[in-house]
Parts: sequence; C-alpha cells; structure tokens
Amino acid sequence: SQQGEEDPQALSIQEGENATMNCSYKTSINNLQWYRQNSGRGLVHLILIRSNEREKHSGRLRVTLDTSKKSSSLLITASRAADTASYFCATGSQETSGSRLTFGEGTQLTVNP
Amino acid sequence: DAGVIQSPRHEVTEMGQEVTLRCKPISGHDYLFWYRQTMMRGLELLIYFNNNVPIDDSGMPEDRFSAKMPNASFSTLKIQPSEPRDSAVYFCASSFWAGANEQFFGPGTRLTVL
Repeated sequence: SQQGEEDPQALSIQEGENATMNCSYKTSINNLQWYRQNSGRGLVHLILIRSNEREKHSGRLRVTLDTSKKSSSLLITASRAADTASYFCATGSQETSGSRLTFGEGTQLTVNP
Repeated sequence: DAGVIQSPRHEVTEMGQEVTLRCKPISGHDYLFWYRQTMMRGLELLIYFNNNVPIDDSGMPEDRFSAKMPNASFSTLKIQPSEPRDSAVYFCASSFWAGANEQFFGPGTRLTVL
C-alpha cells in the first residue's frame, strides 16, 4: 500500500511562479525523500530529509518536515517549464533504518511557459 | 559510471510466456530494489536485496514472480507464466547504504503482455 499521499494530485502554474506540493504519511519514519519523474523515464532523487531535521534547501528546492503532523512539503521556487514532471514523496521506515522506501502516488506538475 | 542499466527497455510478449528482466546496479552499491509502476497502483516495491541476499519479498505479487541476484553486478526478475495484468513499467534501483540514502533508478522496462 502507498503510505505517502501527495496533495494536490495535479498542479498547473505559470513559469516563474512557486509550486508547493504536500505529502502525508502514517507510520514512523527514518527519512523522507522527494523524487522527480519525467514522462517515460526513471525516477530521479531530489532531496532527502531525516526525521530529526525540519527544513532543508537545495537550489530552488525547499523541503519541510513536520513529524508531529506526519507531513512534508516540497516548494519549488521560480518554476521553469523544465520542472514539468511528476513528483513523488517516499518514506523510509524506521524498521529498516530507512533503506526500504514507500512511495506516494505523486503530484503531476505542469509549468506553462 | 553509466548508472543503473536495465534490459530490455521494451518487451512485448504473449500471455503464458516467460519474461526475464535484467538489471545491472551501480558498482559499489550494496542494495538493489525492484519496483513495478502502473497507473492503478502507482509505484510498488516488489523485492529488495542487500549484499545479494533477498531481504524483503513481501511485495512479490504471486509465485509466478521470482527474483535472483547471483552476484553484486547482476539481478533478474522473472515472470512465468506472464499474464496481461503484469503489464507495467518495471524499475530497478540501487543504493549505497550509509544510514538512509538516495536510490538511483534505471530507465525501466516497459512490459506489455498480450
């Protein structure tokens, strides 16, 4: 079963705007990761945040984690048409020290030029 | 490094036939994962290996599915006999465990069972 649930399922914005995607999960985690998938391609890792971290930045990406609410958000600032893709959150369970990931259903982001 | 390599990239077969998917992980990675992606069920973990040993195969849907990792540089996922509902994109991923770490995905094998 998919533990992570992304919200919204689909998001359409204009180039230059910010995009925010949310992820909720149910069990205790070791880490939470975000991946991007372009159409017809494999997933590409974007960023990892550990359960004892609250915020992390990487370029135009900002991830927050609230373990009390079991939720995370991914913010992409100053979006570009090339950011068009599906974005997945994945949770690493404490039972497996984070090595086993459970993926959510994804958010389809469309950035219009 | 060339990244995770999967073959074939596309496979079309008829119901009842045996299908073998292949994966070469990134050199030095000690974890290997097999996933299946469909529109209906999303991305599902089928099985994963650590140092060539299967650790968790609870995601393998049926006995028709089997996976092996005879050495650190090669793994196979076999479906015998195949059924139309097995049609999906199958991904292999590998990672180096240092606590929790990112997984590197291959390009996937798109399987169509007629």
